[in-house]
Amino acid sequence: GQNIDQPTEMTATEGAIVQINCTYQTSGFNGLFWYQQHAGEAPTFLSYNVLDGLEEKGRFSSFLSRSKGYSYLLLKELQMKDSASYLCAVRAMSSNTGKLIFGQGTTLQVKP
Amino acid sequence: DGGITQSPKYLFRKEGQNVTLSCEQNLNHDAMYWYRQDPGQGLRLIYYSQIVNDFQKGDIAEGYSVSREKKESFPLTVTSAQKNPTAFYLCASSSRQGARNTEAFFGQGTRLTVV
Repeated sequence: GQNIDQPTEMTATEGAIVQINCTYQTSGFNGLFWYQQHAGEAPTFLSYNVLDGLEEKGRFSSFLSRSKGYSYLLLKELQMKDSASYLCAVRAMSSNTGKLIFGQGTTLQVKP
Repeated sequence: DGGITQSPKYLFRKEGQNVTLSCEQNLNHDAMYWYRQDPGQGLRLIYYSQIVNDFQKGDIAEGYSVSREKKESFPLTVTSAQKNPTAFYLCASSSRQGARNTEAFFGQGTRLTVV
């Protein structure tokens, strides 16, 4: 089966660092994505990992371990505008098709 | 500008009616997806298509239908068989497998309400 798990909610303080974890079990693997979604809006792309290791992009970094089925999104120097849902998604490969499957999302609240 | 466009933004449907949500992209993407999002929930896959004239069921396809007659277009019909259609519907597209940038780009969504 296909399963992607994330914490439902997290709270952090402005200026701090927060790590959002994602574990997955899928039929095949061809990449893991992180998206940010503000309430009532469409998700926007943050990062992509297909090989093990850390990808850094400004204040956001994403890590992947394929052997552990694990990823995390690291947000540094938190700002109030970072309050949003963060969605972990996996491209699962089944025969020649590639489904993009999302986790339930983690709602992050940044407090002053 | 290239992008993915969904219409309408808001849609109201009477019980027992079929409605069709439009999704058009000019990004030359091969793959297109339809997701449903309920309040406080993640995205659940309804249907997806990797190439023209081919599509596969996602996790919650019952009560929905799609077509992919053109590369640019992937309309979703919510039929009367869908018992709880009120939700936020998101369409996405991505480039083919093996391409460098394969992230999915999303439309702005259609909020469907049954009245």
